[in-house]
Amino acid sequence: AQSVTQLGSHVSVSEGALVLLRCNYSSSVPPYLFWYVQYPNQGLQLLLKYTTGATLVKGINGFEAEFKKSETSFHLTKPSAHMSDAAEYFCAVSAPSNKLTFGTGTQLKVEL
Amino acid sequence: EAGVVQSPRYKIIEKKQPVAFWCNPISGHNTLYWYLQNLGQGPELLIRYENEEAVDDSQLPKDRFSAERLKGVDSTLKIQPAELGDSAVYLCASSLDTAGRDVAFGPGTRLTVL
Repeated sequence: AQSVTQLGSHVSVSEGALVLLRCNYSSSVPPYLFWYVQYPNQGLQLLLKYTTGATLVKGINGFEAEFKKSETSFHLTKPSAHMSDAAEYFCAVSAPSNKLTFGTGTQLKVEL
Repeated sequence: EAGVVQSPRYKIIEKKQPVAFWCNPISGHNTLYWYLQNLGQGPELLIRYENEEAVDDSQLPKDRFSAERLKGVDSTLKIQPAELGDSAVYLCASSLDTAGRDVAFGPGTRLTVL
């Protein structure tokens, strides 16, 4: 069975600081990996995904993530946080069942 | 391109009442999902359709929940009767392929059961 663990339910950073949101997964087959962002009272928006090919993937709003098979990780980073990045972020894995399995989410707070 | 449309956006009902949610997926998306999102949690799959066939409904509580996707386009999720614990956000999503690589989510329906 596939699963996702997001370390840290709440992360707080200063505006302009590095954002690092951690995600580890388990999957019996090569996974598809995703990061979604959810703003209050809205649905989930896809930030980026890894399916095959280059292990460093770039997404919208300056975010990127690196698939590290040896560490079973897919951490999300952004070099410089902006106030508008404050939201909840979900890591998800899809394989082998072709259904998305989500982590419990990380609430990102950006402070002045 | 229009996104996934859901209605209503908010619903407040009393326990034991029935409730229904409607979803219109992105045009051409054959795979449709219903997810349940409890407060402070990630979404959990309730049911997945490929066209009009429910291919994964193992997590759907069939004693009170039902879903249909007639004609393989729009879908309806129903709860009857609703319980207090059903208060949550119900998310509809769709994708073009069956591998789950490009899943687009609707804004969700927030259900409050009093």
